[in-house]
Amino acid sequence: SQQGEEDPQALSIQEGENATMNCSYKTSINNLQWYRQNSGRGLVHLILIRSNEREKHSGRLRVTLDTSKKSSSLLITASRAADTASYFCATDATGANSKLTFGKGITLSVRP
Amino acid sequence: KAGVTQTPRYLIKTRGQQVTLSCSPISGHRSVSWYQQTPGQGLQFLFEYFSETQRNKGNFPGRFSGRQFSNSRSEMNVSTLELGDSALYLCASSFRQGAQTGELFFGEGSRLTVL
Repeated sequence: SQQGEEDPQALSIQEGENATMNCSYKTSINNLQWYRQNSGRGLVHLILIRSNEREKHSGRLRVTLDTSKKSSSLLITASRAADTASYFCATDATGANSKLTFGKGITLSVRP
Repeated sequence: KAGVTQTPRYLIKTRGQQVTLSCSPISGHRSVSWYQQTPGQGLQFLFEYFSETQRNKGNFPGRFSGRQFSNSRSEMNVSTLELGDSALYLCASSFRQGAQTGELFFGEGSRLTVL
């Protein structure tokens, strides 16, 4: 079953615009991670934010985490055509033998 | 450092056959996880191995099995294939420390088609 649910399911923007993607989850977590997948290929890790962190930056990426609302957002600033991909949030739930549970993903299209 | 290597990349099987997929993790990584990705269900966790022991298992039937060798390489096997097993099978390795799951490094996947 999916722990994280991303919103929107698909997003189309113009190059240079910002892209904001949201993720909601259901249980307590150790951390939340965002991954990118180019068509039919493996996933690439983008950023990890721990449950005691509220915001994290990495290059053009900004991630926020609100554990009280059980939600996270990923902001990609100044988007490029190369950012076109599927983006997934993944949660590491608390408890023994944790594992990463992925949402169904957001398809981002950046028009040149 | 070489990335995660999965073989074969593509394969076609018929219903009732079995298949074995292989995964070589990044050197030094002792944790290997397997995921099944389909358009309808998304990424579903199959199992995780750490130091040759199955550490966690997803909600899949017993036809899906795996193992890990002493060099951390892992294999997964699917017996009595069904049409619904057609999917991209992804392997991921990590340098797991403690109970939490850190960054996963994924291979390119093995795309299985069952006819």
